[in-house]
Amino acid sequence: KQEVTQIPAALSVPEGENLVLNCSFTDSAIYNLQWFRQDPGKGLTSLLLIQSSQREQTSGRLNASLDKSSGRSTLYIAASQPGDSATYLCAVRISGGYNKLIFGAGTRLAVHP
Amino acid sequence: EAQVTQNPRYLITVTGKKLTVTCSQNMNHEYMSWYRQDPGLGLRQIYYSMNVEVTDKGDVPEGYKVSRKEKRNFPLILESPSPNQTSLYFCASSSLQAGPNTGELFFGEGSRLTVL
Repeated sequence: KQEVTQIPAALSVPEGENLVLNCSFTDSAIYNLQWFRQDPGKGLTSLLLIQSSQREQTSGRLNASLDKSSGRSTLYIAASQPGDSATYLCAVRISGGYNKLIFGAGTRLAVHP
Repeated sequence: EAQVTQNPRYLITVTGKKLTVTCSQNMNHEYMSWYRQDPGLGLRQIYYSMNVEVTDKGDVPEGYKVSRKEKRNFPLILESPSPNQTSLYFCASSSLQAGPNTGELFFGEGSRLTVL
């Protein structure tokens, strides 16, 4: 059974720091992995999608990597800003069951000025 | 603008009073899904649909119904709501067409439902 774990559960950093959020999964047979951002009480915003054949994706200050063999993905945020404060979730879509998206519990990020 | 639209965004109702939460997407996506999000339990899938007239149960389907008569719409129906269905509900959609963004899931803003 696929399990997705995100570490740390919460993170507080000063503005300007580069930071790494971690996502690990137990079964490497995945279709893709997606990173989301969620602001309190709001919907999930897609940040980056990495297909199983890809190693990384970049968007602005965000870079996500995928290592299927070790069951890990990292989300790198460069030069963090207070506006980056949110909960970040990763989700893996498992192979063989297209409908099945397994979410991690999220990392709650606070960037203070 | 590409989006997934849910209505209502907020609703307070009473036990047993039937309600429908609508979901519409304008991206011509084949796949649509409903989730509920509860503190400590994360996101759990209720129902999903791979295309028109094709729906199936997710992890927590009890007490819910769905229909997919048109490609753009995927309403969630609570025939007889109960307090344990108080939650934040999300609709999501994605394309099944082959391409670099296949399977990228787009979410609506959420519908906060309270059942008294």
